[in-house]
Amino acid sequence: GAVVSQHPSRVICKSGTSVKIECRSLDFQATTMFWYRQFPKKSLMLMATSNEGSKATYEQGVEKDKFLINHASLTLSTLTVTSAHPEDSSFYICSASPTGGAGNTIYFGEGSWLTVV
Amino acid sequence: AQSVTQLDSHVSVSEGTPVLLRCNYSSSYSPSLFWYVQHPNKGLQLLLKYTSAATLVKGINGFEAEFKKSETSFHLTKPSAHMSDAAEYFCVVSVVSGTYKYIFGTGTRLKVLA
Repeated sequence: GAVVSQHPSRVICKSGTSVKIECRSLDFQATTMFWYRQFPKKSLMLMATSNEGSKATYEQGVEKDKFLINHASLTLSTLTVTSAHPEDSSFYICSASPTGGAGNTIYFGEGSWLTVV
Repeated sequence: AQSVTQLDSHVSVSEGTPVLLRCNYSSSYSPSLFWYVQHPNKGLQLLLKYTSAATLVKGINGFEAEFKKSETSFHLTKPSAHMSDAAEYFCVVSVVSGTYKYIFGTGTRLKVLA
């Protein structure tokens, strides 16, 4: 099956610094990738849709200047949490689809635990 | 507006007994529906999906789900639970709103008792 890789799996950063999380589709090209945030024992909250070669589409309430998304190639999207604060600590998950369209399966990365101290 | 409701936040079954995880959806269009499983501190794995073909969909690990348009349901079942099935299960509907995206239910935590 299709593989999506996220890196790092765990990261600890100091308050006020920025941290980048990478999402790679290893064996397929992904025009669209999705970034989710998951709080402990909660469902996934869609943060933004990342489109290769264009600006990301952010969900309502998500600060685009704080959560920078770049989708520079068909196999890589990055999420940068800028000026991180403890409340940004969370589990971040990306997903990607081999082809566009609402009926297509999306494949998930293993997630990245961010802890801001 | 499209949405998905998972009726039970927690389900407990004994090993070897049937599993039923309930999901109802709301969609203005013919939906695409998915079930994903998440083990602790892990990403999500696709169990099965429905995309307007056969209404009874078979997935991995013995799971299956039936799309019932009249009931707007897509319940997940398994005849016999295994200890390794203990995890969080998410029902997902995909929607087209300008672009396409995936809406998650709130999840059902399945506990399997020995």
